[in-house]
Amino acid sequence: RKEVEQDPGPFNVPEGATVAFNCTYSNSASQSFFWYRQDCRKEPKLLMSVYSSGNEDGRFTAQLNRASQYISLLIRDSKLSDSATYLCVVNANDYKLSFGAGTTVTVRA
Amino acid sequence: DGGITQSPKYLFRKEGQNVTLSCEQNLNHDAMYWYRQDPGQGLRLIYYSQIVNDFQKGDIAEGYSVSREKKESFPLTVTSAQKNPTAFYLCASLGPQETQYFGPGTRLLVL
Repeated sequence: RKEVEQDPGPFNVPEGATVAFNCTYSNSASQSFFWYRQDCRKEPKLLMSVYSSGNEDGRFTAQLNRASQYISLLIRDSKLSDSATYLCVVNANDYKLSFGAGTTVTVRA
Repeated sequence: DGGITQSPKYLFRKEGQNVTLSCEQNLNHDAMYWYRQDPGQGLRLIYYSQIVNDFQKGDIAEGYSVSREKKESFPLTVTSAQKNPTAFYLCASLGPQETQYFGPGTRLLVL
């Protein structure tokens, strides 16, 4: 079983729509959780950290469910510029992070 | 500007050849990483270094070697023992709040 699993998508949504997707992790001792964004043929960049109480950054909302071992990302009022691959990242110890394969989102005009 | 630089952007390897990918950072971060990314897959950890003169194998270290003689530099050598080296290679450092900072990557292709 992979340490971090994501629905690869693609999620094709119209501009202005809401899109949400999850990521599951296998290590119950995981302490830190993140969403990274990766554009085509580019390096990943941090989108947001995910806190136990859930957190919001503009149109993006992240949630953590420790009991079921998943995190989620919701994007409201989708923009064309939101088209990207979203990587779920989990840290079970101080130095090794585990990456999901990514969920691809395509926002159409 | 602070950041991570990788060179070259594209690299071609002939069969049986060793090639070295450069990674330099001026962020003053202690920990550095090398990842490999294949199409449709997540990043897989090759090697990481928590501090100068120390490094550990990641999940797919076979066929690769690294050195960490300076804090700023963490070069990766892809040896001839790596039979399927074609991939996108990403170097990263670990900053505050466990944030990973990535370089722009090197695409390695086999001739």
